[in-house]
Amino acid sequence: QVQMKETGPGLVQTTQTLSVTCTVSGFSLTSYGVHWVRQAPGKGLEWMGIIWGDGSTNYNSALKSRLSISRDTSKSQVFLTMNSLQTDDTAVYYCAEMGLWDIPYYWGQGVMVTVSS
Amino acid sequence: DIQMTQSPASLSASLEEIVTITCQASQDIGNWLAWYQQKPGKSPQLLIYGATSLADGVPSRFSGSRSGTQYSLKISRLQVEDIGIYYCLQAYSAPNTFGAGTKLELK
Repeated sequence: QVQMKETGPGLVQTTQTLSVTCTVSGFSLTSYGVHWVRQAPGKGLEWMGIIWGDGSTNYNSALKSRLSISRDTSKSQVFLTMNSLQTDDTAVYYCAEMGLWDIPYYWGQGVMVTVSS
Repeated sequence: DIQMTQSPASLSASLEEIVTITCQASQDIGNWLAWYQQKPGKSPQLLIYGATSLADGVPSRFSGSRSGTQYSLKISRLQVEDIGIYYCLQAYSAPNTFGAGTKLELK
């Protein structure tokens, strides 16, 4: 079955760069896309971006200058990289497999990232 | 970017009551609309996709509908396990956008 697992640093300093890895199983990254979604404490869901099965990407307009999504298909891993972090980037970061109608279908458990000065 | 206006922001209802949550899209998104339920400390769970299709394992008391650019999630008979926060998501075009969420509580 499909499994998604996010791993990240836990704590990052302001102005630094965040790297979060999503390791997937149960499907091929060349066949299905992966979404990234984040949720700040006590706030709603924010769609961040997507890497499609063909490797192309789309990003949230407000984040696109700082955000990059890439992958290593041989390792079944997708990477989220975001630079110039601020405290309001503190959030749980989720990856999710793209399913029917291109929506996030199977979600990981999420990884909490705290940005601190 | 497409805006999704979700209402109400919060809702208090009794067991067995009918509950309706709506999302208004800022432009035509066809049936590219999904609904999610999120419980505290958990990942969102898919309820409805394609505006009206029930996801696997979701109880039949949940249903989705569309009228033009307005989308609704209906819970026909509220149960205790339905308490949580509900979000709509448009996947018609990138960037995808979520509604702000509806917090559903028991009265």
